[in-house]
Amino acid sequence: EVQLLESGGGLVQPGGSLRLSCAASGFNLGTYWMTWVRQAPGKGLEWVANIKQDGSQKYYVDSVKGRFTISRDNAKNSLYLQMDSLRVEDTALYYCARSHVVDIWGQGTMVIVSS
Amino acid sequence: DIQMTQSPSSLSASIGDRVTITCRASQGIRNALAWFQQKPGKAPKSLIYATSTLQSGVPSRFSGAGSGTDFTLTITSLQPEDFATYYCQQYNIFPLTFGGGTKVEIQ
Repeated sequence: EVQLLESGGGLVQPGGSLRLSCAASGFNLGTYWMTWVRQAPGKGLEWVANIKQDGSQKYYVDSVKGRFTISRDNAKNSLYLQMDSLRVEDTALYYCARSHVVDIWGQGTMVIVSS
Repeated sequence: DIQMTQSPSSLSASIGDRVTITCRASQGIRNALAWFQQKPGKAPKSLIYATSTLQSGVPSRFSGAGSGTDFTLTITSLQPEDFATYYCQQYNIFPLTFGGGTKVEIQ
């Protein structure tokens, strides 16, 4: 079964860091662009970042540029999102998704930034 | 950045109704438009890509149309499991952008 499983969310103070992970199963992650999307409580979907199959191209929404880093380890079939200098407005459910033309979604991991 | 505007933001409909949701892009995006369905407390589900191509397993009562800047998602004969929030997204140019969502409620 094709599946994405996020982990690494939690409660962090403003200015802190978290690293999200996304483990893929049932397919070879290395053959797909991969995506992070977030959803603040009660709000709509917001695209966060994309990474090409070999990691050579990365794109970010302006609000996270310079603070978040998307990466991947194809040998481990895993995707990551390193989040630094976290802000209250980064509080959201973070979804990992397959491809930039998204076809498969994970269940999400919650990030709460609060003092 | 390309702005995606969905209308209406919400609608009430009955089982069996035909429902159409509109998505307008602030500039041309060719056919690089996807639609997603999200139910409360659940992850989104991918419905349509390339404006009109159904993802595997999506019922044929869902259809998409449009090109350039104006797109539609139509659900013919609305079913109980279709009550949800629907989002459009353009993937023609980074940053990728979503519409604000359309909540389809039971009348």
